[in-house]
Amino acid sequence: GAGVSQSPSNKVTEKGKDVELRCDPISGHTALYWYRQSLGQGLEFLIYFQGNSAPDKSGLPSDRFSAERTGGSVSTLTIQRTQQEDSAVYFCASSPQHNEQFFGPGTRLTVL
Amino acid sequence: GQQLNQSPQSMFIQEGEDVSMNCTSSSIFNTWLWYKQDPGEGPVLLIALYKAGELTSNGRLTAQFGITRKDSFLNISASIPSDVGIYFCAGEGAFGKGTLLTVNP
Repeated sequence: GAGVSQSPSNKVTEKGKDVELRCDPISGHTALYWYRQSLGQGLEFLIYFQGNSAPDKSGLPSDRFSAERTGGSVSTLTIQRTQQEDSAVYFCASSPQHNEQFFGPGTRLTVL
Repeated sequence: GQQLNQSPQSMFIQEGEDVSMNCTSSSIFNTWLWYKQDPGEGPVLLIALYKAGELTSNGRLTAQFGITRKDSFLNISASIPSDVGIYFCAGEGAFGKGTLLTVNP
């Protein structure tokens, strides 16, 4: 079956613009996560959705970052007024429950 | 949030050597996971551990869930060049900073 997909694969934007990153999780997975990875660094947790529960937003670095998960499936991560330090690879992962995660290929965001 | 300390940060070994890396947490985990990330790819799950003391193998990989539930190790035996990559430990949604493994043919 299909794995986790993310779009776009690459995004180049100008400082100050808004961007939306999309994640299509594996069908039936109730948990969905967003992480970001700066060059040569580890994975930084951003946000976690589990079913219909309120999302865990504790990893969002600022109020410029927000995420939605519609209908318990597709998720969109929005970054408003992008800054150069937002440049990173943004990974989405889904899980049948809160443990084993299956990662997408990531979206490489470059803010000029 | 959860704090995971992973070591070593990097390793440079010769092909055929065995490798060991470990992870400790500041709190008790119910699950320990080990992932590998190849360059330009997302992490891929290698081994999942669910019970304290559990020792699990997957080919040349062996991982253990510590008795205290606060640590885990991953061993790779007889390393080969395609083992290169970044290895992450994880639990409860948190990830370690990774161990960069380089294998010299």
